[in-house]
Amino acid sequence: DTEVTQTPKHLVMGMTNKKSLKCEQHMGHRAMYWYKQKAKKPPELMFVYSYEKLSINESVPSRFSPECPNSSLLNLHLHALQPEDSALYLCASSQGAGVSTDTQYFGPGTRLTVL
Amino acid sequence: AQKVTQAQTEISVVEKEDVTLDCVYETRDTTYYLFWYKQPPSGELVFLIRRNSFDEQNEISGRYSWNFQKSTSSFNFTITASQVVDSAVYFCALLPVNTGFQKLVFGTGTRLLVSP
Repeated sequence: DTEVTQTPKHLVMGMTNKKSLKCEQHMGHRAMYWYKQKAKKPPELMFVYSYEKLSINESVPSRFSPECPNSSLLNLHLHALQPEDSALYLCASSQGAGVSTDTQYFGPGTRLTVL
Repeated sequence: AQKVTQAQTEISVVEKEDVTLDCVYETRDTTYYLFWYKQPPSGELVFLIRRNSFDEQNEISGRYSWNFQKSTSSFNFTITASQVVDSAVYFCALLPVNTGFQKLVFGTGTRLLVSP
Protein backbone atom coordinates (compact mmCIF):
# COMPACT_ATOMS: atom_id res chain seq x y z
CA ASP A 1 0.00 0.00 0.00
CA THR A 2 1.57 3.26 -1.12
CA GLU A 3 -1.29 5.60 -0.27
CA VAL A 4 -0.92 9.15 0.88
CA THR A 5 -4.20 10.95 1.51
CA GLN A 6 -4.81 14.68 1.48
CA THR A 7 -7.79 16.74 2.57
CA PRO A 8 -9.51 18.78 1.39
CA LYS A 9 -9.34 18.14 -2.36
CA HIS A 10 -10.26 21.73 -3.12
CA LEU A 11 -10.09 24.86 -0.99
CA VAL A 12 -11.15 28.41 -1.71
CA MET A 13 -10.13 31.04 0.82
CA GLY A 14 -9.98 34.77 1.18
CA MET A 15 -6.79 36.62 1.96
CA THR A 16 -7.79 37.13 5.59
CA ASN A 17 -8.80 33.53 6.27
CA LYS A 18 -6.96 30.90 8.23
CA LYS A 19 -7.17 27.37 6.92
CA SER A 20 -5.22 24.11 7.14
CA LEU A 21 -4.28 21.37 4.73
CA LYS A 22 -3.97 17.86 6.03
CA CYS A 23 -1.86 14.92 4.87
CA GLU A 24 -1.83 11.38 6.21
CA GLN A 25 0.12 8.21 5.48
CA HIS A 26 0.07 4.78 7.11
CA MET A 27 3.08 3.24 5.45
CA GLY A 28 5.35 3.70 8.45
CA HIS A 29 7.31 6.35 6.59
CA ARG A 30 9.40 8.71 8.69
CA ALA A 31 9.85 11.53 6.21
CA MET A 32 7.09 13.79 4.92
CA TYR A 33 7.18 16.63 2.42
CA TRP A 34 5.13 19.59 1.23
CA TYR A 35 5.38 20.76 -2.36
CA LYS A 36 3.73 23.60 -4.23
CA GLN A 37 2.95 23.22 -7.91
CA LYS A 38 1.83 26.02 -10.20
CA ALA A 39 0.13 25.23 -13.49
CA LYS A 40 2.44 23.78 -16.15
CA LYS A 41 5.41 23.77 -13.76
CA PRO A 42 7.14 21.01 -11.82
CA PRO A 43 6.56 20.68 -8.08
CA GLU A 44 8.64 22.94 -5.85
CA LEU A 45 9.77 21.68 -2.48
CA MET A 46 8.57 23.73 0.49
CA PHE A 47 9.26 21.71 3.65
CA VAL A 48 10.70 18.38 4.74
CA TYR A 49 10.02 16.69 8.05
CA SER A 50 12.31 13.88 9.08
CA TYR A 51 11.38 11.85 12.14
CA GLU A 52 8.82 14.53 13.05
CA LYS A 53 11.38 17.33 13.04
CA LEU A 54 11.58 20.05 10.42
CA SER A 55 14.73 19.35 8.45
CA ILE A 56 14.31 21.58 5.40
CA ASN A 57 12.51 24.89 4.93
CA GLU A 58 13.05 26.22 1.43
CA SER A 59 12.76 29.85 2.51
CA VAL A 60 8.99 29.64 2.47
CA PRO A 61 7.08 32.79 3.62
CA SER A 62 5.84 32.63 7.20
CA ARG A 63 2.21 32.73 6.06
CA PHE A 64 2.76 29.00 5.47
CA SER A 65 3.30 27.12 8.73
CA PRO A 66 3.93 23.37 8.72
CA GLU A 67 3.23 21.04 11.57
CA CYS A 68 3.95 17.35 12.10
CA PRO A 69 1.89 16.15 15.10
CA ASN A 70 3.06 12.55 14.70
CA SER A 71 4.83 10.34 12.18
CA SER A 72 1.65 9.73 10.17
CA LEU A 73 0.28 13.25 9.96
CA LEU A 74 1.45 16.44 8.32
CA ASN A 75 -0.44 19.73 8.34
CA LEU A 76 0.10 22.97 6.51
CA HIS A 77 -1.46 25.98 8.22
CA LEU A 78 -2.32 28.89 5.95
CA HIS A 79 -2.83 32.49 7.03
CA ALA A 80 -3.05 35.78 5.14
CA LEU A 81 -2.29 34.21 1.80
CA GLN A 82 -1.96 36.10 -1.45
CA PRO A 83 -3.68 35.31 -4.76
CA GLU A 84 -0.31 34.19 -6.15
CA ASP A 85 -0.32 31.39 -3.58
CA SER A 86 -3.09 29.70 -5.55
CA ALA A 87 -1.66 26.36 -6.64
CA LEU A 88 -1.79 22.59 -6.21
CA TYR A 89 -0.28 21.61 -2.87
CA LEU A 90 1.17 18.13 -2.84
CA CYS A 91 2.17 16.07 0.13
CA ALA A 92 4.63 13.19 -0.14
CA SER A 93 6.15 10.66 2.18
CA SER A 94 9.18 8.40 2.04
CA GLN A 95 10.74 5.72 4.15
CA GLY A 96 13.21 8.05 5.80
CA ALA A 97 14.81 11.23 4.58
CA GLY A 98 18.47 10.60 3.94
CA VAL A 99 18.02 6.95 3.08
CA SER A 100 19.69 6.43 -0.25
CA THR A 101 17.05 4.13 -1.61
CA ASP A 102 14.27 6.53 -0.69
CA THR A 103 11.31 6.97 -2.98
CA GLN A 104 8.80 9.72 -2.42
CA TYR A 105 5.14 8.74 -2.79
CA PHE A 106 2.73 11.56 -3.44
CA GLY A 107 -0.84 12.26 -2.44
CA PRO A 108 -3.54 13.54 -4.79
CA GLY A 109 -3.02 17.14 -3.77
CA THR A 110 -5.18 20.04 -2.61
CA ARG A 111 -6.12 22.64 -5.21
CA LEU A 112 -6.02 25.96 -3.41
CA THR A 113 -7.57 29.15 -4.73
CA VAL A 114 -6.95 32.41 -2.88
CA LEU A 115 -9.40 35.19 -3.71
CA ALA B 1 24.90 22.10 -10.14
CA GLN B 2 22.04 19.66 -10.30
CA LYS B 3 19.73 19.92 -13.27
CA VAL B 4 17.26 17.83 -15.24
CA THR B 5 16.30 18.76 -18.78
CA GLN B 6 13.21 17.49 -20.56
CA ALA B 7 13.46 19.21 -23.90
CA GLN B 8 10.13 17.95 -25.22
CA THR B 9 7.41 20.20 -23.87
CA GLU B 10 4.53 18.36 -25.50
CA ILE B 11 4.21 15.25 -27.65
CA SER B 12 1.09 14.17 -29.52
CA VAL B 13 0.69 10.63 -30.82
CA VAL B 14 -2.09 8.42 -32.05
CA GLU B 15 -3.00 5.35 -30.06
CA LYS B 16 -0.74 2.31 -30.62
CA GLU B 17 2.22 4.43 -31.64
CA ASP B 18 5.46 4.07 -29.70
CA VAL B 19 6.78 7.20 -28.03
CA THR B 20 10.03 8.08 -26.27
CA LEU B 21 10.33 10.78 -23.65
CA ASP B 22 13.82 12.21 -23.27
CA CYS B 23 15.55 13.11 -20.02
CA VAL B 24 19.06 14.52 -19.64
CA TYR B 25 20.52 15.23 -16.23
CA GLU B 26 23.53 17.05 -14.79
CA THR B 27 25.21 16.27 -11.51
CA ARG B 28 28.72 16.08 -10.13
CA ASP B 29 27.72 13.41 -7.64
CA THR B 30 28.79 9.85 -8.36
CA THR B 31 25.91 8.51 -6.29
CA TYR B 32 22.42 9.55 -7.24
CA TYR B 33 19.02 8.20 -8.14
CA LEU B 34 16.81 8.91 -11.12
CA PHE B 35 13.04 8.72 -11.18
CA TRP B 36 10.11 8.98 -13.53
CA TYR B 37 6.73 10.14 -12.28
CA LYS B 38 3.41 10.35 -14.14
CA GLN B 39 0.94 13.14 -13.39
CA PRO B 40 -2.50 12.56 -14.91
CA PRO B 41 -5.04 15.41 -15.05
CA SER B 42 -6.25 14.47 -11.55
CA GLY B 43 -2.99 15.87 -10.18
CA GLU B 44 -1.42 13.04 -8.24
CA LEU B 45 2.19 12.22 -9.06
CA VAL B 46 2.46 8.49 -9.62
CA PHE B 47 5.84 6.86 -9.10
CA LEU B 48 6.93 4.78 -12.09
CA ILE B 49 10.57 3.84 -11.62
CA ARG B 50 13.74 4.48 -9.61
CA ARG B 51 17.23 3.83 -10.93
CA ASN B 52 20.53 4.20 -9.08
CA SER B 53 23.67 5.58 -10.67
CA PHE B 54 25.50 2.27 -10.46
CA ASP B 55 22.93 0.23 -12.33
CA GLU B 56 22.80 0.90 -16.04
CA GLN B 57 20.65 -2.07 -16.89
CA ASN B 58 17.64 -1.19 -18.95
CA GLU B 59 14.30 -2.03 -17.46
CA ILE B 60 11.02 -3.14 -18.94
CA SER B 61 7.68 -3.17 -17.21
CA GLY B 62 4.82 -4.12 -19.47
CA ARG B 63 4.53 -1.44 -22.16
CA TYR B 64 7.04 0.79 -20.36
CA SER B 65 10.80 0.63 -20.78
CA TRP B 66 13.66 2.78 -19.59
CA ASN B 67 17.10 3.32 -21.08
CA PHE B 68 19.76 4.66 -18.70
CA GLN B 69 23.07 5.74 -20.23
CA LYS B 70 25.62 7.37 -17.94
CA SER B 71 27.89 8.17 -20.88
CA THR B 72 25.31 10.61 -22.21
CA SER B 73 23.68 11.42 -18.82
CA SER B 74 20.33 10.33 -20.17
CA PHE B 75 17.44 8.36 -18.73
CA ASN B 76 14.87 7.99 -21.48
CA PHE B 77 11.41 6.50 -21.16
CA THR B 78 9.61 4.62 -23.93
CA ILE B 79 5.95 3.71 -24.04
CA THR B 80 5.17 0.96 -26.52
CA ALA B 81 1.76 0.80 -28.16
CA SER B 82 0.54 3.93 -26.41
CA GLN B 83 -3.00 4.15 -25.07
CA VAL B 84 -5.30 7.06 -24.31
CA VAL B 85 -4.82 6.38 -20.58
CA ASP B 86 -1.13 7.23 -21.01
CA SER B 87 -2.08 10.87 -21.56
CA ALA B 88 -0.43 12.77 -18.72
CA VAL B 89 2.52 14.93 -17.82
CA TYR B 90 5.66 12.90 -17.20
CA PHE B 91 8.41 14.19 -14.93
CA CYS B 92 11.96 12.96 -14.79
CA ALA B 93 13.69 13.68 -11.47
CA LEU B 94 17.15 13.43 -9.93
CA LEU B 95 17.86 12.66 -6.26
CA PRO B 96 21.49 13.53 -5.57
CA VAL B 97 23.51 12.47 -2.53
CA ASN B 98 24.65 16.00 -1.76
CA THR B 99 21.14 16.92 -0.65
CA GLY B 100 21.10 14.01 1.79
CA PHE B 101 18.79 12.28 -0.67
CA GLN B 102 16.04 14.63 0.47
CA LYS B 103 15.59 17.01 -2.45
CA LEU B 104 14.20 15.82 -5.74
CA VAL B 105 15.33 17.90 -8.71
CA PHE B 106 12.52 17.79 -11.26
CA GLY B 107 12.63 18.41 -14.97
CA THR B 108 10.03 20.71 -16.47
CA GLY B 109 7.90 17.78 -17.59
CA THR B 110 6.68 16.46 -20.93
CA ARG B 111 2.98 16.53 -21.68
CA LEU B 112 1.94 13.43 -23.64
CA LEU B 113 -1.33 13.49 -25.53
CA VAL B 114 -2.52 10.18 -26.93
CA SER B 115 -5.52 10.44 -29.21
CA PRO B 116 -7.76 7.54 -30.23
